[in-house]
Amino acid sequence: QVQLVQSGAEVKKPGASVKVSCKTSGYTFTTYTIHWVRLAPGQRLEWLGWVNAGNGHTKYSQKFQDRVTITRDTSASTAYMDLSSLRSEDTAVYYCAREDVGFDYWGQGTLVTVSS
Amino acid sequence: SYELTQPPSVSVSPGQTARITCSGDALPKQYAYWYQQKSGQAPVLVIYKDSERPSGIPERFSGSSSGTTVTLTISGVQAEDEADYYCQSADSSETWVFGGGTKLTVL
Repeated sequence: QVQLVQSGAEVKKPGASVKVSCKTSGYTFTTYTIHWVRLAPGQRLEWLGWVNAGNGHTKYSQKFQDRVTITRDTSASTAYMDLSSLRSEDTAVYYCAREDVGFDYWGQGTLVTVSS
Repeated sequence: SYELTQPPSVSVSPGQTARITCSGDALPKQYAYWYQQKSGQAPVLVIYKDSERPSGIPERFSGSSSGTTVTLTISGVQAEDEADYYCQSADSSETWVFGGGTKLTVL
């Protein structure tokens, strides 16, 4: 069965960076694109960007393109999301999701808390 | 990027029909997708390509499209359908956007 398992919760200070992993299984990793989405308290779902797991190409939201880097390791069937220059407004649950027709499988979410 | 607009909230009694709309200028050209998100859980895809239902999603969930508006319809609403619902679409530059979300309350 398809599974996306994310790394654990993180607490970071303002100005730091965070790297969240998304380990996949149950399908051919390089066949699909992986997206990253976040949900901040009281806010809407927000799309950060994607990586084509086959060729490594990426696309980022204009809002985050200066601070987010999405990569993948095909040998580990894992995607990564790196967000830098963290501020309190980045406190959120971050999700990875596989794209087929829509985002059909999601990770369990990773809580990132930014606090001094 | 462009925006998708949803009503903040919809309330219905059990057994009634709930309709949640989503408006966006690109929707006549791009497919819409709908997600259900319950508190503390990851989103679940309930409608793809405007009106297709993934396997495992109850038949009471349906989608439709007309011009710049897409609609998620839940017929015979049940208490377990109480959740936040988000529409989603992509633009021509392969970036994605979510609507503001609609909180469905089952009275």
